Amino acid sequence: KAGVTQTPRYLIKTRGQQVTLSCSPISGHRSVSWYQQTPGQGLQFLFEYFSETQRNKGNFPGRFSGRQFSNSRSEMNVSTLELGDSALYLCASSLGDRGLAETQYFGPGTRLLVL
Amino acid sequence: AQSVAQPEDQVNVAEGNPLTVKCTYSVSGNPYLFWYVQYPNRGLQFLLKYITGDNLVKGSYGFEAEFNKSQTSFHLKKPSALVSDSALYFCAVRDGGSWGKLQFGAGTQVVVTP
Repeated sequence: KAGVTQTPRYLIKTRGQQVTLSCSPISGHRSVSWYQQTPGQGLQFLFEYFSETQRNKGNFPGRFSGRQFSNSRSEMNVSTLELGDSALYLCASSLGDRGLAETQYFGPGTRLLVL
Repeated sequence: AQSVAQPEDQVNVAEGNPLTVKCTYSVSGNPYLFWYVQYPNRGLQFLLKYITGDNLVKGSYGFEAEFNKSQTSFHLKKPSALVSDSALYFCAVRDGGSWGKLQFGAGTQVVVTP
């Protein structure tokens, strides 16, 4: 099976712009979770989608949003970019219906640089 | 709230020697614990997980982890380290009752020298 794919791999934006990142999960996986990784804050959970519904959300401002499509592909959007949004954004997919023991499989990430 | 702690920022080990990466956890209820590894400019790769049952969990690439309930620890081990094991290792706990969310430790950089 193909793994989790994320596009684009690298992005450079300026403050105030908005950005959309895309994630295609492993075939058959219906859950997609997003994480932000920075040197200072480490790995932080953004949100999780299952069957086109947001099931869980982390402590990020409303500028961070996401959605999931009927084919389980997901996008996340960050509006009004700030310098502090520079990070590696990781997408993880899982089956979504196996409870707490379920394993998440991560994509290679999108590295966003905000200038 | 669930949390994990990785007390060592970096672990240095010579190739061929045993490798241990430490993780302690704090949970209410049953712990669901995971180890991931991250190579430079890559995403996280799943190594192993503890759900229930045997305290010794075997995973990918020769890694194993020992679950110790009394010490609330879940240390990652490899009997003989390779230079290619040099990477960033993360311990994580499932946030109980919270769909999708993994709570990660700060990470431990492993450096294996030839």
